Amino acid sequence: EVQLLESGGGLVQPGGSLRLSCAASGFTLKNYAMTWVRQAPGKGLEWVSTISGTIGGSGGATYYPDSVKGRFTISRDTSENTLYLQMSSLRAEDTAVYYCAKGNNFAEAWGHGTLVTVSS
Amino acid sequence: EIVLTQSPGTLSLSPGERATLSCRASQSVTSTSLAWYQQKPGQAPRLLVYGASSRATGIPGRFSGSGSGTDFTLTISRLEPEDFAVYYCQQYAISPKTFGQGTKLELK
Repeated sequence: EVQLLESGGGLVQPGGSLRLSCAASGFTLKNYAMTWVRQAPGKGLEWVSTISGTIGGSGGATYYPDSVKGRFTISRDTSENTLYLQMSSLRAEDTAVYYCAKGNNFAEAWGHGTLVTVSS
Repeated sequence: EIVLTQSPGTLSLSPGERATLSCRASQSVTSTSLAWYQQKPGQAPRLLVYGASSRATGIPGRFSGSGSGTDFTLTISRLEPEDFAVYYCQQYAISPKTFGQGTKLELK
């Protein structure tokens, strides 16, 4: 059974940094594309970042929309089967629940999410 | 960027009724690269449909997706009490991948 468990969220000041983690179980993370999706409080969903897998992908290619490009970095630790999202230069508008998801084009499995609050 | 507009914003129905949710794209979504998700309060979204009409694993047969080009539909044939939730469409034809703003399906 695929399970994804996010951690690392919390309160951070504007301009600060935070690293989110997503521990995967039930599958080998490096083989599959993985994605971060966020949801601001009471709002809709936004695709934040993707890293391709070794199966059918470019083996580590990354994608970011303009809203986070240059500030967020997605990566993975194959030995820990864990996905990361390093976030820097955080802004108030980055406040959201961040979900880890399995998939490249569409998100076929989701974690429960971790809340990031950017506020002074 | 492809903008997805979902309608209606809120749909009020009773169990047993049929629900029809619409998702319209600002430009053609090629290869039917469209997915639907269900989200209940306090929970993560759940994939229902991908490729516009393929049900995800474990999704009941009362959920069906259709459409192509710019107009897509999610139909729930007979509503069950657990189907009342927010539904999102998402396109993955063109980057950035984008979501619609959601349709809230509420109990009448």
